[in-house]
Amino acid sequence: QTVVTQEPSFSVSPGGTVTLTCGLSSGSVSTSYYPSWYQQTPGQAPRTLIYSTNTRSSGVPDRFSGSILGNKAALTITGAQADDESDYYCVLHMGSGIWVFGGGTKLTVL
Amino acid sequence: EVQLVESGGGLVKPGGSLRLSCAASGFTFSNYDMNWVRQAPGKGLEWVSSITSSGAYIYYADSVKGRFTISRDNAKNSLYLQMNSLRAEDTAVYYCARGYYDSWGWGQGALVTVSS
Repeated sequence: QTVVTQEPSFSVSPGGTVTLTCGLSSGSVSTSYYPSWYQQTPGQAPRTLIYSTNTRSSGVPDRFSGSILGNKAALTITGAQADDESDYYCVLHMGSGIWVFGGGTKLTVL
Repeated sequence: EVQLVESGGGLVKPGGSLRLSCAASGFTFSNYDMNWVRQAPGKGLEWVSSITSSGAYIYYADSVKGRFTISRDNAKNSLYLQMNSLRAEDTAVYYCARGYYDSWGWGQGALVTVSS
């Protein structure tokens, strides 16, 4: 069974840039997987940041951007702010109606 | 404003059943595919099931296939998840989410606890 991989944790300085990635245990991520990215703070529902690789959801600041980098999907945060400290999840569409989430990345801003 | 409100969560014994509901408002429910996603305590998100806008196509994660049933009533703007043969590992917050390849809108979730 294919596993969607994410960095368990990442740290960024305020004002800095960080790129989180979303890969496959076997194979490469492409736009055909419709990668999406979600932000979640403790006790809250997820919030959609990016869908279909690089489309920002309504109201999401342009500090957040999505792309394919090499063989992975990527979420880049430019000019990180304190309230970007959250858990970030990616999801990939594996075909046949199946979605698989990555394990999530805990982002610390310090 | 898009609103999704889950209900029906609670405490149930292993082997028991529960039915979750998701009431939708602020958009034309019958135009959108819908999903259930769950999150066990302290764990990540797990996709559970999806249903197309008309209900014609339904998909399940292997972990719930044969035990859970997703359905919808477009006349009532409602999404459902019938959960049977519940196990301790089904304990989670269950989120209703709107969308498929587009931006998913999320409800606030309903807690399901499976324990004796």
